[in-house]
Amino acid sequence: ETGVTQSPTHLIKTRGQQVTLRCSSQSGHNTVSWYQQALGQGPQFIFQYYREEENGRGNFPPRFSGLQFPNYSSELNVNALELDDSALYLCASSYGTNGGDEQFFGPGTRLTVL
Amino acid sequence: AQTVTQSQPEMSVQEAETVTLSCTYDTSESDYYLFWYKQPPSRQMILVIRQEAYKQQNATENRFSVNFQKAAKSFSLKISDSQLGDAAMYFCAYRSGGGSEKLVFGKGTKLTVNP
Repeated sequence: ETGVTQSPTHLIKTRGQQVTLRCSSQSGHNTVSWYQQALGQGPQFIFQYYREEENGRGNFPPRFSGLQFPNYSSELNVNALELDDSALYLCASSYGTNGGDEQFFGPGTRLTVL
Repeated sequence: AQTVTQSQPEMSVQEAETVTLSCTYDTSESDYYLFWYKQPPSRQMILVIRQEAYKQQNATENRFSVNFQKAAKSFSLKISDSQLGDAAMYFCAYRSGGGSEKLVFGKGTKLTVNP
């Protein structure tokens, strides 16, 4: 069974650019959640996709957008990058959206915005 | 909105000893779940233990156990017989029951295990 994978591992961008981060969910999982983890902080929820539809969104501006594909992999897109977008971006997959469903995390993508 | 507070930014423990990490949360909901996650320096977040709010019995997973005090909204993690591999950031997290979408995390506690 393959776990959650993310690509790329590291990324360096400049202010104003756009970035796409990718996540492959664990086999059998239909739900992907994205989190932003700033240095020294706990992860903050960005949004969740369930069966290709957005199923909830945290307090992030519209320039953070996402997609989920029929194979349940997912993309996080960030437009007009700002310095404060520098963070570790984590995705987590689960089977379903019930509060007790375990979310399995990927290793993250470290984004640096210069 | 739910909040999770971890008041200990850093903790240290001697190998083979016991350490307790604290967590408090605020919610008006009655149906929820609480979690402790471990994030080693390699970054991958791993679930350590889970507690359902409707269960009075404290969860236990091998050397890891929790002290869940629902009325006090407290959820501490006890690590017994600490090992060097336990060194990591530990995050307490809250999730509503039902069709909830998000985990709400605390700021974390960095645990150092001394040989």
